[in-house]
Amino acid sequence: QKEVEQNSGPLSVPEGAIASLNCTYSDRVSQSFFWYRQYSGKSPELIMSIYSNGDKEDGRFTAQLNKASQYVSLLIRDSQPSDSATYLCALSRGATNKLIFGTGTLLAVQP
Amino acid sequence: DADVTQTPRNRITKTGKRIMLECSQTKGHDRMYWYRQDPGLGLRLIYYSFDVKDINKGEISDGYSVSRQAQAKFSLSLESAIPNQTALYFCATTADRAYEQYFGPGTRLTVT
Repeated sequence: QKEVEQNSGPLSVPEGAIASLNCTYSDRVSQSFFWYRQYSGKSPELIMSIYSNGDKEDGRFTAQLNKASQYVSLLIRDSQPSDSATYLCALSRGATNKLIFGTGTLLAVQP
Repeated sequence: DADVTQTPRNRITKTGKRIMLECSQTKGHDRMYWYRQDPGLGLRLIYYSFDVKDINKGEISDGYSVSRQAQAKFSLSLESAIPNQTALYFCATTADRAYEQYFGPGTRLTVT
């Protein structure tokens, strides 16, 4: 079992819809969770971090964390074609700050 | 100017050649990381460094070495490149006791 699991997609949504991206993880001691956006051929860009159970909102983005279910998600409201990218889920645990990444979900927002 | 820079941005080299990838940062972060990214495999950690005297292997360090020349500089070397080291390489930094990592623009390496 991979430590961080994501559906590779592509997830296709129409412009203006809500895109829902999901991630599960296997290690219950994981403490910190991150969503990175990566455009093709570019570097990952941090868009959200979440450390405690519940929802965290930032503009059109909402991250949701459920540690009991070992599940973290990212909602993108009013999706735009410019949101089309691969979204990487990552977790960090312990004092080393090492990140463990999922393989990413490709999101395609259709105009 | 970018906070994290990598050179070169693209490199094609031949099997058996030695190659060095360089990373510099102006963020003042202590911790630096080297990752490689392959299609379908995601980002995997090669080496990481907490300061100039503290260097650690990641999950895929075989065939690679690193040097932390200064707080701001962290270099990755392939002593004898092989084709399966063809990948996109990223440097990242983070502040001490923080978790958010900031990535450089990447180096696309092709080994023929």
